[in-house]
Amino acid sequence: ETGVTQTPRHLVMGMTNKKSLKCEQHLGHNAMYWYKQSAKKPLELMFVYSLEERVENNSVPSRFSPECPNSSHLFLHLHTLQPEDSALYLCASSQGPAAGVNEQFFGPGTRLTVL
Amino acid sequence: DAKTTQPPSMDCAEGRAANLPCNHSTISGNEYVYWYRQIHSQGPQYIIHGLKNNETNEMASLIITEDRKSSTLILPHATLRDTAVYYCIVRVASGGSYIPTFGRGTSLIVHP
Repeated sequence: ETGVTQTPRHLVMGMTNKKSLKCEQHLGHNAMYWYKQSAKKPLELMFVYSLEERVENNSVPSRFSPECPNSSHLFLHLHTLQPEDSALYLCASSQGPAAGVNEQFFGPGTRLTVL
Repeated sequence: DAKTTQPPSMDCAEGRAANLPCNHSTISGNEYVYWYRQIHSQGPQYIIHGLKNNETNEMASLIITEDRKSSTLILPHATLRDTAVYYCIVRVASGGSYIPTFGRGTSLIVHP
């Protein structure tokens, strides 16, 4: 048990659907991250929230919309996705910047398939 | 962030030590070396990190050269469950948070 949970674990959606991925951390951290991992590719950082404010957005298409209502929850809202968006979406959390250098704890990921 | 270079793949016999190298020749003084691993289709798992001294925990040992330009992760008695992709990354602060960049890592296969 990593302390970071993600739901759903698997999701199949059509290109016109709207869905949301949920991440929850039970570790008392105040920074949370979304990563995308496509087949045979390195992890790509998508979004970073620190103290519930977005501090990093690596030029992700607007069809991905993050939401961080509090330090324990992170959402990724999906709409009008493309088949190439099919990937493993990983959430992670860590202590915030005041804690200095720190490790990330990852969730199990959501395997997304866009038809 | 300093760039890291790792061999794409390695193999190791079960019960033997697995030594995974990482080159980070452009590392700066305030950057830590972190190691993670990712078992197939799971989220990455933190293993160990260090700045300049060698480190050991229940999972592995980290040996950092004196000039800090390279490091080695040592799994002292590899098991089949250690088969995974191992990532070596260096981390700096960005906008108040630490933003690690994951490369392609080393795919370690432990065979019987």
